[in-house]
This record gives sequence, C-alpha cells and structure tokens, in this order.
Amino acid sequence: LAKTTQPISMDSYEGQEVNITCSHNNIATNDYITWYQQFPSQGPRFIIQGYKTKVTNEVASLFIPADRKSSTLSLPRVSLSDTAVYYCLVAPLTGGGNKLTFGTGTQLKVEL
Amino acid sequence: ETGVTQTPRHLVMGMTNKKSLKCEQHLGHNAMYWYKQSAKKPLELMFVYSLEERVENNSVPSRFSPECPNSSHLFLHLHTLQPEDSALYLCASSQDDGPGNEQFFGPGTRLTVL
Repeated sequence: LAKTTQPISMDSYEGQEVNITCSHNNIATNDYITWYQQFPSQGPRFIIQGYKTKVTNEVASLFIPADRKSSTLSLPRVSLSDTAVYYCLVAPLTGGGNKLTFGTGTQLKVEL
Repeated sequence: ETGVTQTPRHLVMGMTNKKSLKCEQHLGHNAMYWYKQSAKKPLELMFVYSLEERVENNSVPSRFSPECPNSSHLFLHLHTLQPEDSALYLCASSQDDGPGNEQFFGPGTRLTVL
C-alpha cells in the first residue's frame, strides 16, 4: 500500500478554513484516497474519499491534483469540535491485501 | 441497534484472567476487523475477517484469539495478557475487505490489564 506523509500537527482558530495536505508519491493507478477523523477514545470516522480532481460533501472537500501524488483535505469554517486527529489513507478498493495502516495522522487543534 | 456495537465498553482484568470482547455489526458487511490503539500511538491492525474467513493476522501474539462465527459477529478472546496489552480495542466493518473500503468503527473497549 502507498506510503503517506502528513503534518504531525496543525493549529487553527474557529471560523477559519483548514487545509491538511497528504503526500503519497507512490500512489498506484487503482488506489483511492480516503480521510478519517478520530476523537480521543473513539474509533475513526470516515470523512471523504476521492480518486481524482475534487470531491465535496457536507463536511469537507478533497482536492486531488492531476498527478495524484498528493491530496488536500479542506475543512471550511472549523469549530472547536473539529479538534481531532485526521488520517490520510491510500489504498485500492479491492485486492492490495489487508495491511491497512493509519499512520500517526495530523492532530488538528482548533482554538477560540 | 444500528452500526457497529462493542461490549463491554470497559474491562479490567488480571494477567491470569480469561475474557472476551464482542463486536456486532448491523450493516450487512462482509468484512470485520480488530484494531489495537495504545496511548498516543497509531492504530494497529490485528485481524481481518472476510466472509467469516480470517484473511489477515498481523503477527499478533497467541494470547489474542479471534473468532468470527458469522458475518455479523466478531470476538476477541483474551488470556494471560500482559500490562502492555492495556489499550483501546476497536472493531470495524466494511462492505468488502479491500483496504480502501470505508470502515465503520465501533466505540471500542477500553482494556486495562493489572
């Protein structure tokens, strides 16, 4: 599975837009990019998934450039409740074994 | 109930005890997973079951024994654990076992080994 690199931590203030970038230089043709959010002592929660260009849902947007070697999770107008760890994963929907690793993620801290 | 449920939510056990963690999914998924998350560490994938067959065992010590009697239920049997096994144990399920499939996580069992 493709190795991903993302910042260890980020700080922001309420109402700001937050962009978290993930690098995945060895992404494979059949890999999808998925982002999860995890609060302390809870399981991760799926946020968004994409293959190329831009995907938007009610909570976030995912921007993927044409070469797909990186992706950016965009959280509009964050609030204190968005303080969490965000994980970027790159993997195929089928095959690829099951060695899914979440890595260390990005700890986002939102302040007033 | 909907989603993925886990019981118990909290468990304290001695090193000589035998206990089991239970996970149940009500989503009609074909794949189920056990993860371990120690304090301030990344999630570690322990076991993967697909259509009740174990498809992945990430070098987990034999004191952890999984069981998947059907596609809706997953157990993790624990015996002679060590204090370093204290962690949050998370169960998840997904439609299929491809790693890119969206995984739905349960609330976890907080395990403390004395």
